[in-house]
Amino acid sequence: AQSVTQLDSQVPVFEEAPVELRCNYSSSVSVYLFWYVQYPNQGLQLLLKYLSGSTLVESINGFEAEFNKSQTSFHLRKPSVHISDTAEYFCAVSDPSESNDMRFGAGTRLTVKP
Amino acid sequence: DGGITQSPKYLFRKEGQNVTLSCEQNLNHDAMYWYRQDPGQGLRLIYYSQIVNDFQKGDIAEGYSVSREKKESFPLTVTSAQKNPTAFYLCATKTAANIQYFGAGTRLSVL
Repeated sequence: AQSVTQLDSQVPVFEEAPVELRCNYSSSVSVYLFWYVQYPNQGLQLLLKYLSGSTLVESINGFEAEFNKSQTSFHLRKPSVHISDTAEYFCAVSDPSESNDMRFGAGTRLTVKP
Repeated sequence: DGGITQSPKYLFRKEGQNVTLSCEQNLNHDAMYWYRQDPGQGLRLIYYSQIVNDFQKGDIAEGYSVSREKKESFPLTVTSAQKNPTAFYLCATKTAANIQYFGAGTRLSVL
């Protein structure tokens, strides 16, 4: 089964600064990769996904992530963060051939300070 | 309004009591999932169901039970055998493209 490691449990950053949230996964022949965002006392919202094709994927609110097969990574980046980006971010990986094999990282708490 | 509805938003359980968390969806997705979320541990899979009248245990099924009598509904019962039920419970559905969508969650506490 796949496993996911989010390398930072907390990332504090000032408003308008760039940010990178790191995610590594265990190796597999093929994977689907996801980033979800969770605001307090809410469910997870899909931020972006990699299923196939271009290794650089983007969200509508300025986040992007790059699938790097050689380094088994899927880091999330944003060039300039806003206060409203404060939330918990989860990286997830699934094996397309398994029905129950979506694995989540432990989460990274992004706090954007004014 | 399409989506996944979890109820109640907050739930309190007395010792020795069974409680049931509701999950309803109108997305017409076949697969549904229940996860438990504890601080600093991410999400852990409790049960999942790929079709009506069929479900499988996840990683932490002990102390929980489910049913899947209708495509739209996948209720989770937290039984008295679950000794540490305090957590945030999330229901999800999965599309044919392997993308999971989540409800707003139910926070369960013990009185």
